[in-house]
Amino acid sequence: NAGVTQTPKFQVLKTGQSMTLQCAQDMNHNSMYWYRQDPGMGLRLIYYSASEGTTDKGEVPNGYNVSRLNKREFSLRLESAAPSQTSVYFCASSQTGADIQYFGAGTRLSVL
Amino acid sequence: AQTVTQSQPEMSVQEAETVTLSCTYDTSENNYYLFWYKQPPSRQMILVIRQEAYKQQNATENRFSVNFQKAAKSFSLKISDSQLGDTAMYFCAFMKGRAAGNKLTFGGGTRVLVKP
Repeated sequence: NAGVTQTPKFQVLKTGQSMTLQCAQDMNHNSMYWYRQDPGMGLRLIYYSASEGTTDKGEVPNGYNVSRLNKREFSLRLESAAPSQTSVYFCASSQTGADIQYFGAGTRLSVL
Repeated sequence: AQTVTQSQPEMSVQEAETVTLSCTYDTSENNYYLFWYKQPPSRQMILVIRQEAYKQQNATENRFSVNFQKAAKSFSLKISDSQLGDTAMYFCAFMKGRAAGNKLTFGGGTRVLVKP
């Protein structure tokens, strides 16, 4: 079972470049999430999608955009990357009315 | 807004011994869920144990158990018979209710090192 798949696993960007992080889940979950994890810290929510067609801001949305492409896929876009966005990014998904979120393996992003 | 605090940045334990990790949280909600996640060096977030706030009985999963004190807003994790594979970061997390899109709020983590 693939679960939650994130691509790429690693990425290095220069300041000002743009990129999209991809996330796909094969568990037929309705809700999907993007978190970031900075060194020595817990995960913080960037954006989430409660269901297909909806997206909402989380705790740290500035500098990011998201697209819920369909029920399976939820992408995170950095339009103009900044060094402060150097982090590990995690995608997660959950079933409606359920409390457990399932996480992808993470994307390590460095912005120089 | 909910906050989750883990006051122990790092703990070490001898193999086969027991270690207890602390977590406190702040919320005005009555219906919520608490979790402990493990993050080994592979970076994967692995659910260790979950607790429903309306249940008085403490959750247990094999060698992992919690001490849930609702009035004190405390949710500690006990790892018994520690194994080398338990070496990881451990995060306490809070979720309000069970509605669609409910978010996790994480603590800062506790690094656990199991020594042979």
